[in-house]
Amino acid sequence: DIQMTQSPSSLSASVGDKVTITCRASRSITNYLNWYQQRPGKAPKLLIYSVSTLQSGVPSRFSGSGSGTDFTLTIISLQPEDFATYYCQQSYSSWTFGQGTVVEVK
Amino acid sequence: QVHLEQSGAEVREPGASVKVSCKASGYTFITYGFSWVRQAPGQGLEWMGWINSNTGSTNYAPTLQDRFSLTTDTATKTAYMELRSLISDDTAVYFCARTDASGNSDPFDFWGQGTLVTVSP
Repeated sequence: DIQMTQSPSSLSASVGDKVTITCRASRSITNYLNWYQQRPGKAPKLLIYSVSTLQSGVPSRFSGSGSGTDFTLTIISLQPEDFATYYCQQSYSSWTFGQGTVVEVK
Repeated sequence: QVHLEQSGAEVREPGASVKVSCKASGYTFITYGFSWVRQAPGQGLEWMGWINSNTGSTNYAPTLQDRFSLTTDTATKTAYMELRSLISDDTAVYFCARTDASGNSDPFDFWGQGTLVTVSP
């Protein structure tokens, strides 16, 4: 099984900040890496797939990068609606999620 | 527009079974598959399994496959998840999510609203 490790587990930020979340796979997943946002009490929402492709309707302040085993989600100019939990997911071999990163208000 | 509507909350005793439904609309049902994901209270997301909506081919997470099964009904465009021999650790919100029909590589682009299953004596 492929394990996914996110860091940090949580972070505090302010509106307007740039936020970076990293995700590491236990072995190469080439570009089969997706990112989701989950607000409390809601279903996850697909933000980015295949490392860097924004899902339709997702604001351009979200971006993704990386390849192989190391990946990054970046949010530039954090907005109030961006305070949420973010999960990476590998889809190279079945599917596995990272443990999540909580972005909270500083 | 794509919509996945899940059945309502369930309460079961330990050892019982539960079956959750996920009714799809807004797209051609048999050209996609479903994954099921669960989330225990305050915890992260756990992938449980996948099913091809047309052929019924499945792929289950190893930790669950002995007491877990997925089915679909193409006539009603509904996917089902059944979990048997329930234990307290199965208390979670269960989500269905649309994904590709091949069982490989695609993300989960649409999700149901979630169904809370509570296992309690």
